Amino acid sequence: EAQVTQNPRYLITVTGKKLTVTCSQNMNHEYMSWYRQDPGLGLRQIYYSMNVEVTDKGDVPEGYKVSRKEKRNFPLILESPSPNQTSLYFCASKPSGGYRELFFGEGSRLTVL
Amino acid sequence: DQQVKQNSPSLSVQEGRISILNCDYTNSMFDYFLWYKKYPAEGPTFLISISSIKDKNEDGRFTVFLNKSAKHLSLHIVPSQPGDSAVYFCAASDPYNQGGKLIFGQGTELSVKP
Repeated sequence: EAQVTQNPRYLITVTGKKLTVTCSQNMNHEYMSWYRQDPGLGLRQIYYSMNVEVTDKGDVPEGYKVSRKEKRNFPLILESPSPNQTSLYFCASKPSGGYRELFFGEGSRLTVL
Repeated sequence: DQQVKQNSPSLSVQEGRISILNCDYTNSMFDYFLWYKKYPAEGPTFLISISSIKDKNEDGRFTVFLNKSAKHLSLHIVPSQPGDSAVYFCAASDPYNQGGKLIFGQGTELSVKP
């Protein structure tokens, strides 16, 4: 089954404790991206990757890091989480070549105390 | 600045009636628009889209209308069903950014009552 898989789905952590949210897709998509969803703000892009070893900042990158060492994986790293990073996170992917539709994972709800 | 806006956070409709969800955008360079549907504890899923060269696209009970001069699009659901209750996100694609970066609105929560 074609899918984008995120882990963990739910996480409660404390300020300053480094964490990684993994994302993996099995559709051989070149493009991958991370979004966060917050009430009243919709989905905002954190980081994106056009292909392996090519990553760049989105609209709200502060406090996050990413890497793209393999085509299928695009982990989101919070080096020192803070309470304002409490949010619902979505990983998404799509083929390159002008394709517009994004395929989303099921989401990771993160709470930072 | 919010380039894509959904000004109604919520909408309640009776089963069998029409649901109309609205979306406004500011960037005239957007060339493709999409609607996503999101159930609780799930990721957004693609629903329907429209190219900027068209003014209407229909798929079963779902129709999207685009008014480029007003920079406005709407999603019509007819007839509405209880299973349509979800959050609906409007998205616009910027062809000059990331090969089509999607910019999302705030979402509208639709509730269809039996």
